[in-house]
Amino acid sequence: DTAVSQTPKYLVTQMGNDKSIKCEQNLGHDTMYWYKQDSKKFLKIMFSYNNKELIINETVPNRFSPKSPDKAHLNLHINSLELGDSAVYFCASSQGRPGGIQYFGAGTRLSVL
Amino acid sequence: SQQGEEDPQALSIQEGENATMNCSYKTSINNLQWYRQNSGRGLVHLILIRSNEREKHSGRLRVTLDTSKKSSSLLITASRAADTASYFCATEASGTYKYIFGTGTRLKVLA
Repeated sequence: DTAVSQTPKYLVTQMGNDKSIKCEQNLGHDTMYWYKQDSKKFLKIMFSYNNKELIINETVPNRFSPKSPDKAHLNLHINSLELGDSAVYFCASSQGRPGGIQYFGAGTRLSVL
Repeated sequence: SQQGEEDPQALSIQEGENATMNCSYKTSINNLQWYRQNSGRGLVHLILIRSNEREKHSGRLRVTLDTSKKSSSLLITASRAADTASYFCATEASGTYKYIFGTGTRLKVLA
């Protein structure tokens, strides 16, 4: 069983479209995260939720909206996609409070044309 | 520049040799972690070292932490081709709940 799973693995779309990436963890963790990894492999945190409550919200355009229906799920919705949104997006989770050892999903490669 | 910068950016060694990569950071931290990322995959946690620890071992991995110099090193001994990956350090700055990842070291181990 995959501990942190995200779908889809690949996403190719046109500028201006709206898309969602889903993430689920079956580890029973309390905290989930979204990271963006750019073409230079720089990994930057976007959001963190602890028990469905938003804890970290980095300087991310408000076109990005995370949604946590329960503590096992953290989805990422992106409106009006731009070329610069092309990247690999990783979901992760950790036990307890934010921070600590994080378990990552396999990533979603988003290409905006 | 970024919190958490690794050097070298890329490292190529022969199987059996040791690989050392370094991480520097800017602020005081609660702890520091090292992660490995295989091509096209997510990050995998390797080891966590707390700010009051100076050295930790896990199998062929040895991590040191020097808080006075704000630096850490990861040593992989007797490297194998399967160690080929990118290695990232991640620091949890004191008083925050977030980890800042470095830019990574791309390690290539030649068989």
